[in-house]
Amino acid sequence: DGGITQSPKYLFRKEGQNVTLSCEQNLNHDAMYWYRQDPGQGLRLIYYSQIVNDFQKGDIAEGYSVSREKKESFPLTVTSAQKNPTAFYLCASSIFGDFRSGANVLTFGAGSRLTVL
Amino acid sequence: DAKTTQPPSMDCAEGRAANLPCNHSTISGNEYVYWYRQIHSQGPQYIIHGLKNNETNEMASLIITEDRKSSTLILPHATLRDTAVYYCIVRVGGTAGNTPLVFGKGTRLSVIA
Repeated sequence: DGGITQSPKYLFRKEGQNVTLSCEQNLNHDAMYWYRQDPGQGLRLIYYSQIVNDFQKGDIAEGYSVSREKKESFPLTVTSAQKNPTAFYLCASSIFGDFRSGANVLTFGAGSRLTVL
Repeated sequence: DAKTTQPPSMDCAEGRAANLPCNHSTISGNEYVYWYRQIHSQGPQYIIHGLKNNETNEMASLIITEDRKSSTLILPHATLRDTAVYYCIVRVGGTAGNTPLVFGKGTRLSVIA
């Protein structure tokens, strides 16, 4: 079945450590996204990529980094510069890299929950 | 992109219709209305979207007022599994914008047995 796979589902990290969250999709979608969600809050956009080898900062990119070397993969690294990294991280994809299409709906993964000890 | 206003929470009896309102008074002519929902600790799920006309699919109906300043998502026969946070989002289509969706806090719908 086509979909988005995020791993790991749960991750614990010590302060000062970098950690990389994996996101893989087999939907042949052009665009991929990373959102962060804190308890009781909506989703906030970290980074997005509309095409391979290109990505853009979202609203809260500080302390995060991404790469888009392959169409199907969009890993997110949470660096030690991120002051409050404990959160639920969601990866998504959409068929078009051009967001102006009204049919450009998002498909989300199941999420990765990061806890900093 | 136009901002949206949704009530923070709503209750609905199981088997009854759930009507979730969304105000988007600053919406412009080329902005679509999208609805997603998020069941606890899962990724959001797309429900439906529309521009001007009312839309219906196997999950829900979307009613957009004639002036497009508000819309209502209707779940015709709510079940316990419909308990979730529902997000209403408006975003520019056409040639004016090329930005990702922005999610607010949504409406927490509780379906009660």
